[in-house]
Amino acid sequence: GDSVTQMEGPVTLSEEAFLTINCTYTATGYPSLFWYVQYPGEGLQLLLKATKADDKGSNKGFEATYRKETTSFHLEKGSVQVSDSAVYFCALLRNNAGNMLTFGGGTRLMVKP
Amino acid sequence: ETGVTQTPRHLVMGMTNKKSLKCEQHLGHNAMYWYKQSAKKPLELMFVYSLEERVENNSVPSRFSPECPNSSHLFLHLHTLQPEDSALYLCASSPQGGDEQYFGPGTRLTVT
Repeated sequence: GDSVTQMEGPVTLSEEAFLTINCTYTATGYPSLFWYVQYPGEGLQLLLKATKADDKGSNKGFEATYRKETTSFHLEKGSVQVSDSAVYFCALLRNNAGNMLTFGGGTRLMVKP
Repeated sequence: ETGVTQTPRHLVMGMTNKKSLKCEQHLGHNAMYWYKQSAKKPLELMFVYSLEERVENNSVPSRFSPECPNSSHLFLHLHTLQPEDSALYLCASSPQGGDEQYFGPGTRLTVT
């Protein structure tokens, strides 16, 4: 079955540091890939997505590139801020699976001033 | 504010109680979802409704009973829960054929 694996957190960084959160997936066919973010006390929000190989999703300074050869979708940001502290979820959607997302376990990011 | 609201935000209930969680979406979507978010476990999809018909039930115990009276409202009826059911319950919605899901803020449930 489908699965998504993320690096375990928490990830603790100083403000303006470079961020990478690793995500790899297992799925048949060509899934769409997503990063969702959950700020404290809130539900999940879509951060970015990519629907085919070599696509790059980007939003709010975050980027992720759909790498089919390595089945990866790593999240990066060049300079994190304290306000980026949240839990980040990688997810996939198989084209023939309706709207049912498969989520990774989530990675908590803590950014210190 | 994502357009998906959930009430109550916090709920404490005993194992013999019956309670209901409510979700409402104001986005004109016609698919709705219940997820369970427990500490140190991946987000678990519990139920999916599309056009008010249930299309997925991931082997959820019968003490959880969903209801979708129309495309804007989704309920999760709870009875005789166990302490391990304590979790954050998230509701989401999406447009038919769309790939983005919009989440509510969740209900933090504690079973004592």
